[in-house]
Formats: sequence, structure tokens, C-alpha cells
Amino acid sequence: GIQVEQSPPDLILQEGANSTLRCNFSDSVNNLQWFHQNPWGQLINLFYIPSGTKQNGRLSATTVATERYSLLYISSSQTTDSGVYFCAAKYNFNKFYFGSGTKLNVKP
Amino acid sequence: DGGITQSPKYLFRKEGQNVTLSCEQNLNHDAMYWYRQDPGQGLRLIYYSQIVNDFQKGDIAEGYSVSREKKESFPLTVTSAQKNPTAFYLCASSRPTGGIDIQYFGAGTRLSVL
Repeated sequence: GIQVEQSPPDLILQEGANSTLRCNFSDSVNNLQWFHQNPWGQLINLFYIPSGTKQNGRLSATTVATERYSLLYISSSQTTDSGVYFCAAKYNFNKFYFGSGTKLNVKP
Repeated sequence: DGGITQSPKYLFRKEGQNVTLSCEQNLNHDAMYWYRQDPGQGLRLIYYSQIVNDFQKGDIAEGYSVSREKKESFPLTVTSAQKNPTAFYLCASSRPTGGIDIQYFGAGTRLSVL
């Protein structure tokens, strides 16, 4: 199956700082999603981004499929951004493969 | 409102008991998934189903069973053979269409052993 690695595993930021989270995958994918898991455990979809760049408010994501990585940018971080960020990759009709996550703590 | 409903939110299992976690979706999604998450860890796939009356084992299927008799429903049974069932269980669904396949999650069920 596809190996998905996320870095860094932990990140502590001061409110207002910017950050970049990385997701590397070992094989070709045609499906890449980013999720935010809030403190109550709910996974919220952030981006469906198999290639290219998308932006949603303070968040943006870029996937370079040919180089097998995706980046999630968080600008002007807020305390509500805290939680765990997961990426998940898939190829065709196979199952999704999740990374182990980046735990973000934004301090006021 | 369309979405994925998992119940119950919290569940306690006695030694030797089977328990069933419910997952219902009204998104008209074909594919459904069950994941297990241990504290501080990522998600591990237990079972998935791409169509009604068909399902496949994931990476950690031992001690679990599922059924998919209806498109909307994908219940997970944690059997007594699962010796360490305490975890957070997440159900998801997706609808592969035109090469796009976006997965959505329910709010989860926390299972503890008494």
C-alpha cells in the first residue's frame, strides 16, 4: 500500500504565526485530502487536492503529485486552529491511507 | 441535513460481550469505512464497503465484523475476540464519481471496557 508520512509530528505556535505542514506519499495517488481533527474528535474536511493549489481563507494547500508531496499552509494562526491535522491518500478504487498526523498547539 | 450519524457517542463493553456500533448516512454514498483511533495515534482501517452486500477487510479486521445490507447503513460489531477494544471508532463514507472521491466522517463512538 501507499506509505504516507507527515511532518512535523508536533508543532507549537504563538497566535498570529504562520506554519507549513508536510505530507509525503510513497506512490502515485489521484486522491489527496487534508483533515482537521478538533478536540472532540470530529474530522473536518479541509481540502480535496490531488494536484495544484487551493485556498480557503487563512488556509491553503498545494499538492505536487509528480514529486509525491502535499503542503498545508496556515497563516495568522488562531487558537481555534489547534488540533491534529491528517492527510489521506488514495489511488483509484483502493482504500485511503492516512498519515500519523501533525499535532498543532496554538498558544494565545 | 445530510450527514453521517454514529451512535452511541459513548459505549461500555463488559468482558466477553459483543457490542455493535451504528453508522448511518443519508448522503447517498456508495462507499463506507470503519476506522479505529487509539489515543495520540492516527487512523487505522478496520473494514470498508464499496457497494451493498460487499465488504473487505482493512488492516486490523481481527475481532471485528460488519454487514452492509442497506446502502445507508454499515454497522460494526466488536466481538469478544477483540481483546483490546478501548478506542475511538470513526465511520466515514464517500461517493466515487468521475474520478473524485471525497471522504466524510461521523462524530465517532468512544468505546471503553468495564
